[in-house]
Amino acid sequence: DQQVKQNSPSLSVQEGRISILNCDYTNSMFDYFLWYKKYPAEGPTFLISISSIKDKNEDGRFTVFLNKSAKHLSLHIVPSQPGDSAVYFCAASGRTFTRELTFGQGTILTVHP
Amino acid sequence: KAGVTQTPRYLIKTRGQQVTLSCSPISGHRSVSWYQQTPGQGLQFLFEYFSETQRNKGNFPGRFSGRQFSNSRSEMNVSTLELGDSALYLCASSLGQAAPGELFFGEGSRLTVL
Repeated sequence: DQQVKQNSPSLSVQEGRISILNCDYTNSMFDYFLWYKKYPAEGPTFLISISSIKDKNEDGRFTVFLNKSAKHLSLHIVPSQPGDSAVYFCAASGRTFTRELTFGQGTILTVHP
Repeated sequence: KAGVTQTPRYLIKTRGQQVTLSCSPISGHRSVSWYQQTPGQGLQFLFEYFSETQRNKGNFPGRFSGRQFSNSRSEMNVSTLELGDSALYLCASSLGQAAPGELFFGEGSRLTVL
């Protein structure tokens, strides 16, 4: 039973346009959400996070939106750059004093010049 | 500052053997977590150590074990290897504060079981 789902395995976007990556979760105990990106042959790199007490968090070109009632979050990248091409993972954490994250399957983002 | 270092980067074992993977966290980080990444299951949490104590464990059989030393370095061990243990094993460190915070991942150890 996948508690965190990224239903789009891949996304292709033109440079300069907006990239929107989506993530759905089923566990209502999740209260902290993160996005990681991963380049080939490297470990995942933290991108941005959001607590369940917020509905938006922004960091430069990256914005994460959280809709708790729909159990849905999205990552917006504006403007998209070719260097953003990577695998993006959504992750969630529950109300526990641990570093246990539940990850989605990832979305491959390709930004074309 | 130096990132998370994992050794070895690649290794090949045969079924029934055991393997030990090592992880050196970022200086000052006291929490070390381990994740298994496979094409079918994605990234799955194995366990977390904080101040030499296992704080949480994922849904993996007892063949998977780990430990953490006083300098925060961590090792994980897989005994009686099975073909399905072939995966990328990722170590992540963090400060270990109350909020989950972000994890800093190493490049991983790629294990192939033949």
